[in-house]
Amino acid sequence: AQSVSQHNHHVILSEAASLELGCNYSYGGTVNLFWYVQYPGQHLQLLLKYFSGDPLVKGIKGFEAEFIKSKFSFNLRKPSVQWSDTAEYFCAVLSYNTDKLIFGTGTRLQVFP
Amino acid sequence: EADIYQTPRYLVIGTGKKITLECSQTMGHDKMYWYQQDPGMELHLIHYSYGVNSTEKGDLSSESTVSRIRTEHFPLTLESARPSHTSQYLCASSEEQSTDTQYFGPGTRLTVL
Repeated sequence: AQSVSQHNHHVILSEAASLELGCNYSYGGTVNLFWYVQYPGQHLQLLLKYFSGDPLVKGIKGFEAEFIKSKFSFNLRKPSVQWSDTAEYFCAVLSYNTDKLIFGTGTRLQVFP
Repeated sequence: EADIYQTPRYLVIGTGKKITLECSQTMGHDKMYWYQQDPGMELHLIHYSYGVNSTEKGDLSSESTVSRIRTEHFPLTLESARPSHTSQYLCASSEEQSTDTQYFGPGTRLTVL
């Protein structure tokens, strides 16, 4: 069965630190990849997505993610986090075969001023 | 801000009660979804719909049922709630393409005593 793994369950950073959240997926075919974010008290919302083309994807609020097909990875990065980035981050993959979104377990990010 | 609504936001009920979780969207999306999420776990798709009168079961088996009589409305019903149904239920919608962004509602946190 297809799956998505997020290695970091809870990350604590100080403001201005760099961030990288890991995401690996198991499916080897054509995939579309997403990062969703849920800020405290808010809806889950799209941060960025990869369909094809440039494997480095830019998202909102200075986030980016790099698709590395050989490593089945889609890690999320931000060079300098802010307190307002405190949220839960979910990686997801959409497989063409099943037409479904498969979510990871999420990473809770806490940023302290 | 996505125009997708869920009511109630929180619900505490006794075992054996029949409940309906409401989900409505004003974006005219054909596709709608229900996910179940336990704390610290991934979102699991339990139901989805591709349009009016279309409903399908998702990857995670669920005793709940859904209906899609109107495009904007996708309620989820539990005929007889049990403690094992305690969870968070998230509704989402998207446009026609599988690769389209899914927009999520705020969720309903259900507790069955």
